[in-house]
Amino acid sequence: AQSVAQPEDQVNVAEGNPLTVKCTYSVSGNPYLFWYVQYPNRGLQFLLKYITGDNLVKGSYGFEAEFNKSQTSFHLKKPSALVSDSALYFCAVTPRAAAGNKLTFGGGTRVLVKP
Amino acid sequence: DADVTQTPRNRITKTGKRIMLECSQTKGHDRMYWYRQDPGLGLRLIYYSFDVKDINKGEISDGYSVSRQAQAKFSLSLESAIPNQTALYFCATSDSTPTPATDTQYFGPGTRLTVL
Repeated sequence: AQSVAQPEDQVNVAEGNPLTVKCTYSVSGNPYLFWYVQYPNRGLQFLLKYITGDNLVKGSYGFEAEFNKSQTSFHLKKPSALVSDSALYFCAVTPRAAAGNKLTFGGGTRVLVKP
Repeated sequence: DADVTQTPRNRITKTGKRIMLECSQTKGHDRMYWYRQDPGLGLRLIYYSFDVKDINKGEISDGYSVSRQAQAKFSLSLESAIPNQTALYFCATSDSTPTPATDTQYFGPGTRLTVL
């Protein structure tokens, strides 16, 4: 069975500083990997995904993530954080060979960007 | 995503009551999902449906049932609600076209359910 770990419950960063949200995964075979963001009182919004190809994936709002197969990681990054990036971030995985795309989510990391 | 709507947005009920949460989508997707969100646990899959006649249990289906009334509608029922079903419930949709670009799931705004 697949699993996702987000080791930090919360990440605090000052506005303008780099932001990193960590994610490691376990899955049989090759993975599809996703990042979603949840703003207060809103549903999850898709940020980016890794399917194949270039290990560095660029997504919405200036976010990017790097797929590292040897470390089974898919960390989310943003070079310069904004206060408006404060939200709950979820990493998710599904096996590429799965029949359908049933996602397994991590527990979430709350990001707080201070002015 | 405004194309996926959930009703009600908030609901408070009592132990033992039957509750139905509804989800509608205008994205034309054939796959629909119900998740619950609990603090620190992320989202866990309750049920999923790949088309109107294909409904499957997720990892935490006990105490829940679903109905896929049409391609665009997918309802979740709690036959006899209990307090540990207090959670935030999300509906999601995706497209079955088998290309990676369409694996993305699109989520509704959520229903906050409290069972007293």
